[in-house]
Amino acid sequence: EAGVTQFPSHSVIEKGQTVTLRCDPISGHDNLYWYRRVMGKEIKFLLHFVKESKQDESGMPNNRFLAERTGGTYSTLKVQPAELEDSGVYFCAIRTVYYGYTFGSGTRLTVV
Amino acid sequence: QKEVEQNSGPLSVPEGAIASLNCTYSDRGSQSFFWYRQYSGKSPELIMSIYSNGDKEDGRFTAQLNKASQYVSLLIRDSQPSDSATYLCAVSGNAGNMLTFGGGTRLMVKP
Repeated sequence: EAGVTQFPSHSVIEKGQTVTLRCDPISGHDNLYWYRRVMGKEIKFLLHFVKESKQDESGMPNNRFLAERTGGTYSTLKVQPAELEDSGVYFCAIRTVYYGYTFGSGTRLTVV
Repeated sequence: QKEVEQNSGPLSVPEGAIASLNCTYSDRGSQSFFWYRQYSGKSPELIMSIYSNGDKEDGRFTAQLNKASQYVSLLIRDSQPSDSATYLCAVSGNAGNMLTFGGGTRLMVKP
């Protein structure tokens, strides 16, 4: 069964600081996605990687967000500088043939 | 208008009853439809996927799709207290595209 590991599970930072979220999918998955759920809203797409390339980044809210996927393996999402409205749960997901889209456990980001 | 709409609930059903969860979507080009279950503080877990009109059954779960009406539903038979969770409807244009989620319906199954 496919797996996705995200860390940290929780992060509390002050406004203006930088935070980097990491997603480690089990190997062999070309398609990797980032999603975000802010309080009271639905889960929203941020971006899609195919291997190391950004296939679709139409959901990235602004240029304070930077995503990378080194060598088509793990991915990072950096927020710099963080703002209060960036608080939420950030999910990473992979797409598999048999299990559809599989989500990681998420990183809960709180900006204070 | 939201792209994927769900009643936020809570939907309360007694144990053993059938729970019926509904979802409508606006993009007629949507091709793939998913139901996820999310327990509080946990990640979404895929329950069902459906790609063509009609019914698809898996154990106690049945997904129903009507593309003409842009409607997808999930039936849970013999509901158990452990089914209490938020159920998320998600659609995508094709297998490789991103998912668009509804806000979720909170289901409460009372013993």
